Amino acid sequence: GNSVTQMEGPVTLSEEAFLTINCTYTATGYPSLFWYVQYPGEGLQLLLKATKADDKGSNKGFEATYRKETTSFHLEKGSVQVSDSAVYFCALSDPGGAGTALIFGKGTTLSVSS
Amino acid sequence: EAQVTQNPRYLITVTGKKLTVTCSQNMNHEYMSWYRQDPGLGLRQIYYSMNVEVTDKGDVPEGYKVSRKEKRNFPLILESPSPNQTSLYFCASSSGRAFYEQYFGPGTRLTVT
Repeated sequence: GNSVTQMEGPVTLSEEAFLTINCTYTATGYPSLFWYVQYPGEGLQLLLKATKADDKGSNKGFEATYRKETTSFHLEKGSVQVSDSAVYFCALSDPGGAGTALIFGKGTTLSVSS
Repeated sequence: EAQVTQNPRYLITVTGKKLTVTCSQNMNHEYMSWYRQDPGLGLRQIYYSMNVEVTDKGDVPEGYKVSRKEKRNFPLILESPSPNQTSLYFCASSSGRAFYEQYFGPGTRLTVT
């Protein structure tokens, strides 16, 4: 079945460092790919999305490119801030599944220190 | 303000005592869903609803019930809670046009002793 694998955290960085969080997926068909972010004490929020191969999603300085050849959707940011500390979830759409709209990875915790 | 609300935010209860967690959205969304979040397991879907009176099981439905009598509300019912249902629960909604772009509530932390 469809699945998402994320790098395990926690990821600990200093402010202004470069961030990469790896995400790979297994899917039949042509899913859409997403990154959601969960700030402490809050629900998940959509961060960015890409709906087809080679699309680049971007928001708040974060980027991710839908790579069909490597089945990847890695999240990157050039210069992280303390306010980026959160849990990041990679997800894919699963239209052929048993009603599960989104399949989530297990999440990667990012901690940024000043 | 567009939002998904859940109540209560925190709940401690005992095994076997029926409880309901409410979820309401003000965006006129067709699709609503319940997830549980557990350490090391990520988010797993419990139940979902495509519209009023249309509900179906997700990946981990055992021990839970839901109903969708109104478009805005989607309560989660635990008829006889057990300690393995201790978890963080999220309600989410989305429109038919942006099915996978889900709006999440703030979460309900449930502890069953």
